[in-house]
Amino acid sequence: KAGVTQTPRYLIKTRGQQVTLSCSPISGHRSVSWYQQTPGQGLQFLFEYFSETQRNKGNFPGRFSGRQFSNSRSEMNVSTLELGDSALYLCASSLMGPAETQYFGPGTRLLVL
Amino acid sequence: KNEVEQSPQNLTAQEGEFITINCSYSVGISALHWLQQHPGGGIVSLFMLSSGKKKHGRLIATINIQEKHSSLHITASHPRDSAVYICAAPYSGGGADGLTFGKGTHLIIQP
Repeated sequence: KAGVTQTPRYLIKTRGQQVTLSCSPISGHRSVSWYQQTPGQGLQFLFEYFSETQRNKGNFPGRFSGRQFSNSRSEMNVSTLELGDSALYLCASSLMGPAETQYFGPGTRLLVL
Repeated sequence: KNEVEQSPQNLTAQEGEFITINCSYSVGISALHWLQQHPGGGIVSLFMLSSGKKKHGRLIATINIQEKHSSLHITASHPRDSAVYICAAPYSGGGADGLTFGKGTHLIIQP
């Protein structure tokens, strides 16, 4: 069974631009969570989707948004990029939600210049 | 919001030593996760536990729900165990929450 995939793996953007990251969960998994990892703040929860519905959202500004498609693939979007958005963005999938074993993707490393 | 604290932040040990990493959290939870992150970023789930003890190879995880505390033990440590170990708990305790994470323990096992 294929693991969680994320595209792109690396991305360089400039301030003010927007970016879309993609996550394909393990087949059959309906829950996708997104996390941001930075050296200063560590890992932080962004949001979680289940069956195309956002169930939970972390403490991030509205510039961070996401969606989930009927095939459970998920995208997250960051608009009006700031330097502080430079981070590793990870998604994780599971059958029903974050209380189960999470399967993490390799991450997308975003650099904002 | 659940506050998750780990100790120690950094740990260097010799090959073969018994390793213990501790995690405490502030809000009652449905399950606690132990994760391993190698250089390069990839994260692997080691354990998810809601009570008692789990063992996988040389790794053992325990949790005390009443004391809101969990430990990860590594027996007969090996240089390949060098990684960052992170504990994570549901954001506000519930099963549908996202996770909140400890700062991680940077473990180095020297040959």
